[in-house]
Amino acid sequence: DAGITQSPRYKITETGRQVTLMCHQTWSHSYMFWYRQDLGHGLRLIYYSAAADITDKGEVPDGYVVSRSKTENFPLTLESATRSQTSVYFCASSESIVDRAVGYTFGSGTRLTVV
Amino acid sequence: RKEVEQDPGPFNVPEGATVAFNCTYSNSASQSFFWYRQDCRKEPKLLMSVYSSGNEDGRFTAQLNRASQYISLLIRDSKLSDSATYLCVVTDTGTASKLTFGTGTRLQVTL
Repeated sequence: DAGITQSPRYKITETGRQVTLMCHQTWSHSYMFWYRQDLGHGLRLIYYSAAADITDKGEVPDGYVVSRSKTENFPLTLESATRSQTSVYFCASSESIVDRAVGYTFGSGTRLTVV
Repeated sequence: RKEVEQDPGPFNVPEGATVAFNCTYSNSASQSFFWYRQDCRKEPKLLMSVYSSGNEDGRFTAQLNRASQYISLLIRDSKLSDSATYLCVVTDTGTASKLTFGTGTRLQVTL
């Protein structure tokens, strides 16, 4: 199916463990983004990528690692999960850095709980 | 000061009412503006882009006031299905302008 998909939908992990959230898009969009959403903070940008092998930090990158070896995939890794990283994570994609007509298209999110 | 500020609400309105949300933004250089809708436990979805001259999409009207740096969303004839959180979105202050999101205004439409 065309679109942007995230996996897993739900994840519970323990403090200190490494966890990877997956994001896959079928549109061949150049830009991909990872946001986290927390009550009172709204959506905050973690990392983004302009193309394969090009990534850059967003507003809250500490504790996260990204890679983009293929245009369609943009995994987000929490190297050593902490309770403060409990959040809902959204991946998004766009043909350009800001598409004035359509903004960003989001995946359905991953709810991560760190215990 | 937050880059995008919204009244969190909730706005509780009866079906058929007209309701308006405002949003202020701090970056005078912002070029792109949007309203997104987010249903409970779902991803944000684009409601409409906001253009300088203002624009309308059915029951929804968006206005942009660059001088005062605010954006508004007007919903006429509210439906139960309009109940959601409405996110104000603008381009940020970075060198590669990306979208930055407000925390949202919650709307609850009741019978």
